Amino acid sequence: EPEVTQTPSHQVTQMGQEVILRCVPISNHLYFYWYRQILGQKVEFLVSFYNNEISEKSEIFDDQFSVERPDGSNFTLKIRSTKLEDSAMYFCASARGLSSYEQYFGPGTRLTVT
Amino acid sequence: KNQVEQSPQSLIILEGKNCTLQCNYTVSPFSNLRWYKQDTGRGPVSLTIMTFSENTKSNGRYTATLDADTKQSSLHITASQLSDSASYICVVNRSNQAGTALIFGKGTTLSVSS
Repeated sequence: EPEVTQTPSHQVTQMGQEVILRCVPISNHLYFYWYRQILGQKVEFLVSFYNNEISEKSEIFDDQFSVERPDGSNFTLKIRSTKLEDSAMYFCASARGLSSYEQYFGPGTRLTVT
Repeated sequence: KNQVEQSPQSLIILEGKNCTLQCNYTVSPFSNLRWYKQDTGRGPVSLTIMTFSENTKSNGRYTATLDADTKQSSLHITASQLSDSASYICVVNRSNQAGTALIFGKGTTLSVSS
């Protein structure tokens, strides 16, 4: 069964450094998402992406964040200058459509900023 | 304010027993309600998606109910197994979009012991 994959599984970085989190969505999906989950808290929406552009973003997704689909398969989240409070699990998700279409989540990347 | 409240926060049951998790929401408008299972350190996996007109939906030993009038949903797990130990997240979708329209609950942590 096709699944969303994410790399790396764990990333440790120093404050102020740039990180790129990578995701490979399911191949016939059209809608892509990034979420984050701070330890012990609820899942939070960051950004949605469709047709090679951002379709929606939350207040969390400020100028430090960017997303890209550099080729036909990868979907990346870049954090330009990491802060301690960026430490969280980052989940990528993809879906074939909107509304009642199921979102498939990847296993996540644990980002630790020291 | 759009909110999703889940109860109990955590639950411990013996293997083989049944349990019911609750989700109350104050989200408007309403498009659909989703239940996800999240294993520790993994991404959420969809269990059910219910629209306004659906009262009950089953997925194996998982049965979700929805009362759109009282804005309540429940997830019933029958004959629990050790592998059911996870966090169960209720998510309400306000529209036919995803992204910021998805309101996540904090989840109920279920522990099944032998």
